[in-house]
Amino acid sequence: EVQLVESGGDLLQPGGSLRLSCAASGFTFSNYAMNWVRLAPGKGLEWVSTISDSADTTYYADSVKGRFTVSRDNSKNTLYLQMNCLRVEDTAVYYCAKDPYHDAWGQGTLVTVSS
Amino acid sequence: DIQMTQSPSSLSASVGDRVTITCRASQDISHYLAWFQQKPGKAPKSLIYAASILQSGVPSKFSGSGSGTDFTLTISSLQPEDFATYYCQQYNSYPFTFGPGTKVDIK
Repeated sequence: EVQLVESGGDLLQPGGSLRLSCAASGFTFSNYAMNWVRLAPGKGLEWVSTISDSADTTYYADSVKGRFTVSRDNSKNTLYLQMNCLRVEDTAVYYCAKDPYHDAWGQGTLVTVSS
Repeated sequence: DIQMTQSPSSLSASVGDRVTITCRASQDISHYLAWFQQKPGKAPKSLIYAASILQSGVPSKFSGSGSGTDFTLTISSLQPEDFATYYCQQYNSYPFTFGPGTKVDIK
């Protein structure tokens, strides 16, 4: 059974940094691209980032480009999202989702940015 | 960037109703469209990919159609567990984009 478990969410002030993790199991992690998607309060789903299976290609939403960095450790079956220069508008539940077609999702981790 | 719109933004329906949600892309995305269901406090669930292919385990009451710029998601007979928000997403090109969602609630 595919399992994705996010962790690392927290409450922090604007300008702060945070690293989210997504632990994967139940499939060959190194064979699949992975994604981060977020859901802000009262808003809809927003795609954040994608990383290829071998980590040689990454993509970002304009809203996070230059502030967030996606990475992965295929030896640990873990996906990461390094979030820097956090803003109030980054407040959201962050989900990791497996490719293809975002066919499996984690339960999400809450990031709250507030002064 | 490709913009996605959905209509309606919300709808009220009764158990047993047939429901259709429309998704439109701002440019041709061929068949590179997915549909997701999300319930409050829960993770999204993948329903359909490639515009019309059901994900494994998704009941056949869900169906998708369309190509190019216009797509639909149909629920043939609404059940209590189907009350949720539904999103379309294009994966034709980066940045991937979701529609704003359609909330389906009980009449």
